Amino acid sequence: DAGITQSPRHKVTETGTPVTLRCHQTENHRYMYWYRQDPGHGLRLIHYSYGVKDTDKGEVSDGYSVSRSKTEDFLLTLESATSSQTSVYFCAIADRGVDEQYFGPGTRLTVT
Amino acid sequence: QQQVKQSPQSLIVQKGGISIINCAYENTAFDYFPWYQQFPGKGPALLIAIRPDVSEKKEGRFTISFNKSAKQFSLHIMDSQPGDSATYFCAASRAGGYQKVTFGTGTKLQVIP
Repeated sequence: DAGITQSPRHKVTETGTPVTLRCHQTENHRYMYWYRQDPGHGLRLIHYSYGVKDTDKGEVSDGYSVSRSKTEDFLLTLESATSSQTSVYFCAIADRGVDEQYFGPGTRLTVT
Repeated sequence: QQQVKQSPQSLIVQKGGISIINCAYENTAFDYFPWYQQFPGKGPALLIAIRPDVSEKKEGRFTISFNKSAKQFSLHIMDSQPGDSATYFCAASRAGGYQKVTFGTGTKLQVIP
């Protein structure tokens, strides 16, 4: 398995609270991605990064922000969690753009 | 806006049979088409991928067929095994750089003995 860890693996939080999910890689890959996975929707890109401090929005970025201050860490923040953000969140990394993405184990987030 | 449509949503196949999953795309700029396999509780993993300069790619029991004019591609799993039971996602993107990947909605495959 590619060296990708996500923390926490499970989290339950209340509506309106901020939440930060962490993705950590040991592969020194340039590209990092955050996806959410929901039944009937597959995987949808939230944000991605193409280098330290270089990020861009995906198709479902509203309500989310990201930061990448080091090559190995990519943080996803839900500024004020809502029930619609209950989902499984996956981080992915890639060395050469999208030719192959390696996914982390996922974080299951429940917003009550 | 869903740019990659995947069907069926679920599929039950007998052991030894052929599993077929279909995808269609809209964006003619797409030129990289991977398939990902996901087991319960795990992240997706790349299974096989194709570029539009070939019409078919085979790796073991897994084959991608690609029809550029119809903007369709499919995954065939020959001699399906219970261990193939997983969710399969097709995807599409423009190759190179930091292009975004668009995923299909997934197909849950169950191979029964």
